[in-house]
Amino acid sequence: SQQGEEDPQALSIQEGENATMNCSYKTSINNLQWYRQNSGRGLVHLILIRSNEREKHSGRLRVTLDTSKKSSSLLITASRAADTASYFCATAPSTSGTYKYIFGTGTRLKVLA
Amino acid sequence: SAVISQKPSRDICQRGTSLTIQCQVDSQVTMMFWYRQQPGQSLTLIATANQGSEATYESGFVIDKFPISRPNLTFSTLTVSNMSPEDSSIYLCSVGTSGSRYNEQFFGPGTRLTVL
Repeated sequence: SQQGEEDPQALSIQEGENATMNCSYKTSINNLQWYRQNSGRGLVHLILIRSNEREKHSGRLRVTLDTSKKSSSLLITASRAADTASYFCATAPSTSGTYKYIFGTGTRLKVLA
Repeated sequence: SAVISQKPSRDICQRGTSLTIQCQVDSQVTMMFWYRQQPGQSLTLIATANQGSEATYESGFVIDKFPISRPNLTFSTLTVSNMSPEDSSIYLCSVGTSGSRYNEQFFGPGTRLTVL
């Protein structure tokens, strides 16, 4: 079964608003990554957060990680129409060795112009 | 990050045939992986492509159906054998860069396969 469950499954917002997506996972992890996928194409790596980190920023992206709750969130601020995509979290379970990632179910974000 | 290319980008195939997908990386990488993404679904790991040895398959995937080669540190192929419509998916290769401390994984553009 999948390690990550993402919430919400779909999100529709107006341009300029913030979008928050959540990822919950089941087992302890080495790190967690967020990816973006446009229209069924390849995945674009957004950000990696290690298990001993609580928050990371990259441009308009902010990722938090709460290992006690086994959850992570991705915040996109001041959203743009170009942010319309599916967003996936991927976790590397600490029992599975390095590099082996398990993907969540994904959130489909639609930003309306 | 590594630059990853895949060939073909898409294909439409007949039931019972086989398709080989190529993945080329612009630099030597430690790890290469193959994933499947069925329509509207998330990604599922098929196997880890090991350089110079047999691939390591995940539960539910077998070598006879998905033979994988990795002759060197920059190239791998995945073959989808004896295809059926259920194999219609996007197939993606990914790499773990040898210079990364934190095991970031980067993906190719994917191969969209439709089986009729």
